[in-house]
Amino acid sequence: GEDVEQSLFLSVREGDSSVINCTYTDSSSTYLYWYKQEPGAGLQLLTYIFSNMDMKQDQRLTVLLNKKDKHLSLRIADTQTGDSAIYFCAEGTSNLYGNKLVFGAGTILRVKS
Amino acid sequence: GAVVSQHPSWVICKSGTSVKIECRSLDFQATTMFWYRQFPKQSLMLMATSNEGSKATYEQGVEKDKFLINHASLTLSTLTVTSAHPEDSSFYICSARGVDSLIYGYTFGSGTRLTVV
Repeated sequence: GEDVEQSLFLSVREGDSSVINCTYTDSSSTYLYWYKQEPGAGLQLLTYIFSNMDMKQDQRLTVLLNKKDKHLSLRIADTQTGDSAIYFCAEGTSNLYGNKLVFGAGTILRVKS
Repeated sequence: GAVVSQHPSWVICKSGTSVKIECRSLDFQATTMFWYRQFPKQSLMLMATSNEGSKATYEQGVEKDKFLINHASLTLSTLTVTSAHPEDSSFYICSARGVDSLIYGYTFGSGTRLTVV
């Protein structure tokens, strides 16, 4: 079945880089996503990557995908206090009923000033 | 960009009553809407998938008579928690996927904090 795992907590100093890691199991996943959730709020799509890509960069965000190892990472450069949130990795999967997202447990990122 | 509005943002209700949560896509047509439940410090658990005009598909372990989902139009889906009990207290989030999305195009609502007392 589908399973997504990620580290639960990361603490960094303001200005440093943050790297959040994720592993997934469904090799047929077409898209992989990173979402950000601030306290008491819904999820905000940060970025996504197609499964046939190795890397995607979007301003301070860099996504690396190792499809062979089913490993996904999100790097946030120059981390700011406003980046403190929960980050969810998700894979897009298909079943008989259509497409759906399977989420990891979320990584709490704490940025210390 | 795509916006999904979810109301109410929080609700407190008495045990035994029913609560309705609305999820609206404001600037696109949502052919599919998803309802999630999130416990404190835990990930999102998919409860059900609803397609406009048809019955919702519930994930294993989710009681369809307890959590009624209606997706009557391309812009509105509702989740009704019937005969709510304290164990139903949770954060409920909806997401919507549009027919023209290049990718899955999931847009999330801001969530509803349900507290049953």
